[in-house]
Amino acid sequence: ETGVTQSPTHLIKTRGQQVTLRCSSQSGHNTVSWYQQALGQGPQFIFQYYREEENGRGNFPPRFSGLQFPNYSSELNVNALELDDSALYLCASSKRTSGSTDTQYFGPGTRLTVL
Amino acid sequence: AQSVTQLGSHVSVSEGALVLLRCNYSSSVPPYLFWYVQYPNQGLQLLLKYTTGATLVKGINGFEAEFKKSETSFHLTKPSAHMSDAAEYFCAVCYSGGSNYKLTFGKGTLLTVNP
Repeated sequence: ETGVTQSPTHLIKTRGQQVTLRCSSQSGHNTVSWYQQALGQGPQFIFQYYREEENGRGNFPPRFSGLQFPNYSSELNVNALELDDSALYLCASSKRTSGSTDTQYFGPGTRLTVL
Repeated sequence: AQSVTQLGSHVSVSEGALVLLRCNYSSSVPPYLFWYVQYPNQGLQLLLKYTTGATLVKGINGFEAEFKKSETSFHLTKPSAHMSDAAEYFCAVCYSGGSNYKLTFGKGTLLTVNP
């Protein structure tokens, strides 16, 4: 069984640029959540995708957007990068079924540095 | 709103000693509770979770946690620390009745194990 994978591992961008991060969910999972983990902090929920639609969003501006594809993989896009966007971005996949708890399994993350 | 407080940003123990990492939560509805571990430069690995039923939950690597509703706590313990337990530990909560099961994390506790 393949776990959650993310690409790239590391990324360096300059302020104002745009970035796309990618996530492949664990086999059998249909839901993807994205989190931002700033240095020395716990992860913060950005948004979640289920059935290719955004299903819940945290306190992040609209320049953070995402997609989910029919194979349940997902992208996180960030426009107009700011210095504070420097963080580890974590993707988590889970399986949603009626009445069950969606335990989330995390990928290794993408380390984004904005200069 | 739900929140998580982890008491002690850094805990240091000797190898073989008891590990106790504290977590208190705030939730207006029955919570689901999780402990995740993060090794340096890696993503989050699920240690254990509480959803319903037995309040003492056993996880991987000899860890366990007890849900105490009256104290709104979910402390993590391990009887005997190993060097390999050195990592950062995150407590997380989500609403049991939520539609997207977003995780709210504490700020983390860094566990150091001394030889």
